[in-house]
Amino acid sequence: DAGITQSPRHKVTETGTPVTLRCHQTENHRYMYWYRQDPGHGLRLIHYSYGVKDTDKGEVSDGYSVSRSKTEDFLLTLESATSSQTSVYFCAISEKSGPYEQYFGPGTRLTVT
Amino acid sequence: AQSVTQPDIHITVSEGASLELRCNYSYGATPYLFWYVQSPGQGLQLLLKYFSGDTLVQGIKGFEAEFKRSQSSFNLRKPSVHWSDAAEYFCAVGNQAGTALIFGKGTTLSVSS
Repeated sequence: DAGITQSPRHKVTETGTPVTLRCHQTENHRYMYWYRQDPGHGLRLIHYSYGVKDTDKGEVSDGYSVSRSKTEDFLLTLESATSSQTSVYFCAISEKSGPYEQYFGPGTRLTVT
Repeated sequence: AQSVTQPDIHITVSEGASLELRCNYSYGATPYLFWYVQSPGQGLQLLLKYFSGDTLVQGIKGFEAEFKRSQSSFNLRKPSVHWSDAAEYFCAVGNQAGTALIFGKGTTLSVSS
C-alpha cells in the first residue's frame, strides 16, 4: 500500500468554525489531490497540487483552500465550515500528472453540525 | 467534456457466480481508464488500468476489464465472485492533458450466499 495517511480520521465540528485536514505521504510523489465523496456523486476533485507551493482548483473548490509547504504534506482548510461540507474527504497522490494512476489515503469523515 | 457513467447503482450476485460491472465513458480521443474498489470505511484501491495496447487487461484479485472503443465501454468482469468482493466499485477516466481523474458514481456490489 502507498504510504498515505490522513488526519484526523473523523471530526465533528460546528458551522462557522475553521477546519484543517492533513494528508501526509512518504512516497515522495509530486502530485497530490483532495477529493470529496458524497452519496450519488462519486468522487469530485476539490484542489490539487503539482509541487511545493503549486496548487490549483478543481471542480468543487468553493469554500476550500489548500497549502503545500513540503512535498510530503498537503493541507485542506475549510475557512468557515458549512453543513454542505459534511462529507468524506480523500487525499490521493500520483507520481505523474494527467491520466496516471492515483493512490488514495484512508479518508477523513467530517461532520458539520 | 469527459464523463463516466456506471449504469448500475447496485448489483447483487450469488457467491461463485460471474460478475460484470458496466462502465461507459465519453471522451473524444483514446482514454486512460481505471477501475477502483472501495471496501466499507476504506480508501480506494486500484484494481486495474488501461492506457493502450491489448484491450483485455488483467488486474488484481482476479478481475479483468475489456476496452471496447466502438461501444465506449470498459466493463469489469470476474468469473467467480467471492463474498469478500462485496464493495463499491468506481470506474474512472483521464486524459493526457488532464490534471485529475473523472470518476463515475459507483456501483455497489452485494454478494449473496
